[in-house]
Amino acid sequence: DAGVTQSPTHLIKTRGQQVTLRCSPKSGHDTVSWYQQALGQGPQFIFQYYEEEERQRGNFPDRFSGHQFPNYSSELNVNALLLGDSALYLCASSLAGGGKSYNEQFFGPGTRLTVL
Amino acid sequence: AQRVTQPEKLLSVFKGAPVELKCNYSYSGSPELFWYVQYSRQRLQLLLRHISRESIKGFTADLNKGETSFHLKKPFAQEEDSAMYYCALGFGEKLVFGTGTRLLVSP
Repeated sequence: DAGVTQSPTHLIKTRGQQVTLRCSPKSGHDTVSWYQQALGQGPQFIFQYYEEEERQRGNFPDRFSGHQFPNYSSELNVNALLLGDSALYLCASSLAGGGKSYNEQFFGPGTRLTVL
Repeated sequence: AQRVTQPEKLLSVFKGAPVELKCNYSYSGSPELFWYVQYSRQRLQLLLRHISRESIKGFTADLNKGETSFHLKKPFAQEEDSAMYYCALGFGEKLVFGTGTRLLVSP
């Protein structure tokens, strides 16, 4: 099992463009979370997908949207890119357990997005 | 609002010295706290969680609700402990991370 995989590894875009990042969860996992990690900061939660629905969202504008496919893989889309969107985007997968118990999230290597 | 504070950006110690990485949190509910570690050129991974009360790679962390702290400790640091350490608060379905502390263990 390769664990969580993300593509592409690096990406360079210009302001105003749109970008799509992809994530394949760890085998057996059904939940995908996305995080943004700016330079020198900890990861910040963007949103989480489970059963192809957005289950929870962090404090990010609507320019950030996502999708989960029936095979549990996920995409993160960012429209109208700003310079401040430059960051490492991390995907994490977990197995939903219901209730309030926390399920360990396994992280991918990330996609480095640079907006010029 | 939920917040995690790691006051030290860098902690530099010599091999064999004790280590304490500080973490304070703000959360009105019953917290679930974690330490994540990122070694050089590796992905972020879970080191330990408070609910497990276990020692991983010689590290322990005790939740102190009175002081709202979850400091990470190791009695004798090793060079292979050099990494970036993040404290995180589990809230709902998400993790709230601190800004991280880089631990550098010199020979």
